[in-house]
Amino acid sequence: TQLLEQSPQFLSIQEGENLTVYCNSSSVFSSLQWYRQEPGEGPVLLVTVVTGGEVKKLKRLTFQFGDARKDSSLHITAAQPGDTGLYLCAGAQTGFQKLVFGTGTRLLVSP
Amino acid sequence: KAGVTQTPRYLIKTRGQQVTLSCSPISGHRSVSWYQQTPGQGLQFLFEYFSETQRNKGNFPGRFSGRQFSNSRSEMNVSTLELGDSALYLCASSQLQGAANEKLFFGSGTQLSVL
Repeated sequence: TQLLEQSPQFLSIQEGENLTVYCNSSSVFSSLQWYRQEPGEGPVLLVTVVTGGEVKKLKRLTFQFGDARKDSSLHITAAQPGDTGLYLCAGAQTGFQKLVFGTGTRLLVSP
Repeated sequence: KAGVTQTPRYLIKTRGQQVTLSCSPISGHRSVSWYQQTPGQGLQFLFEYFSETQRNKGNFPGRFSGRQFSNSRSEMNVSTLELGDSALYLCASSQLQGAANEKLFFGSGTQLSVL
């Protein structure tokens, strides 16, 4: 059973466009992380959100944790080819000492 | 500070064989976790080691095993390989054990192909 569903699965856009990736669950998470993975490499942590309703910004990336801590979104403004990669959300549940990873969103930004 | 090092990067095996993968965590990190990544299933947790003891285990058959040495380096072993074991195996290290919101540092992975 996949606890974290990401949408869309694939996204192909042109440089300069905006996009939003969603990470949804029916379960509550104590925190949620977003990673980016480039081909041939392991995932790299982008951000951790902990509080319901929390918004964090990382340059052109904006991360939001849902008020009920069941979902999260990643918004990229003016996407660039360097944003290309696999975006993964990962949730931590109270009492479970391991992260659960989402299904992933593969983003391709063309020049 | 050196990152997480996994060896080998690529491995080709045939069904029925066994394989051992190695992971050296970031210096000072005592927790090592292993994940299997496939296009269909995504990232699946295998197990976590801390201070040479397995602390958490995912839903994988007993053919998948691991260990951690006193210097925090870890190995995972897969016996009696099956075609479905073809995947990217990722190792991640962190400073603390079991803190699920702890920052994980991943290696580049070992790409295993089973023929």
